Amino acid sequence: EVELVESGGGLVQPGGSLRLSCAASGFTFHNYWMTWVRQAPGKGLELVTNVNQDGSQTYYMASVRGRFTTSRDNAKNSAYLEVNNVRVEDTAVYYCARDSGSTRLDFWGQGALVTVSS
Amino acid sequence: EIVLTQSPGTLSLSPGERATLSCRTSQAVSSNFLHWYQQKPGQAPRLLIYGASSRATGIPDRFSGSGSGTDFTLTISRLEPEDFAVYYCQKSGSFGPGTKVDIK
Repeated sequence: EVELVESGGGLVQPGGSLRLSCAASGFTFHNYWMTWVRQAPGKGLELVTNVNQDGSQTYYMASVRGRFTTSRDNAKNSAYLEVNNVRVEDTAVYYCARDSGSTRLDFWGQGALVTVSS
Repeated sequence: EIVLTQSPGTLSLSPGERATLSCRTSQAVSSNFLHWYQQKPGQAPRLLIYGASSRATGIPDRFSGSGSGTDFTLTISRLEPEDFAVYYCQKSGSFGPGTKVDIK
């Protein structure tokens, strides 16, 4: 059974940093792109970033480019999202999701809440 | 960047009725990259339809997708109580704003 479990969310002050983790199981992790999608309270979905199978290719949405870093460790079946210099508008639930091709996100984690507040 | 527009914003229907949700893209897209998701309160989104018209694993056949170019449609043939939720379309890095299907 495919499972994705996020961790590392919490309260962070503006300008601070946080590292989210996504532990994957039930599939051959190194065969898939991995994606992070966020959802601000009461709002829609935003595709934040994704990373290819070996970590050599990444995409970032414009508002996080230069502040967020996505990575993965295939030996640990895990994906990571490092969020730096956070802003109030980064407050959201962050989901990791498996990309089965053509940006088809077929499995999602339960989400990790990041709250940016002083 | 492609912009996705969904209509209506809210659809108020009764169980058993047919729901028709629209997703329009600002430029023509390959159907292979057009997907639909369902999200219920407090839950992660769930993939419903991929490649514009293929049902994801475990999705009931009352859900169907169609369309090409810039116009795509998600149809729920007969609404069940568990179908009242928000539905998003997606093309690559962009999601639509969502259509909420609520109980009339």
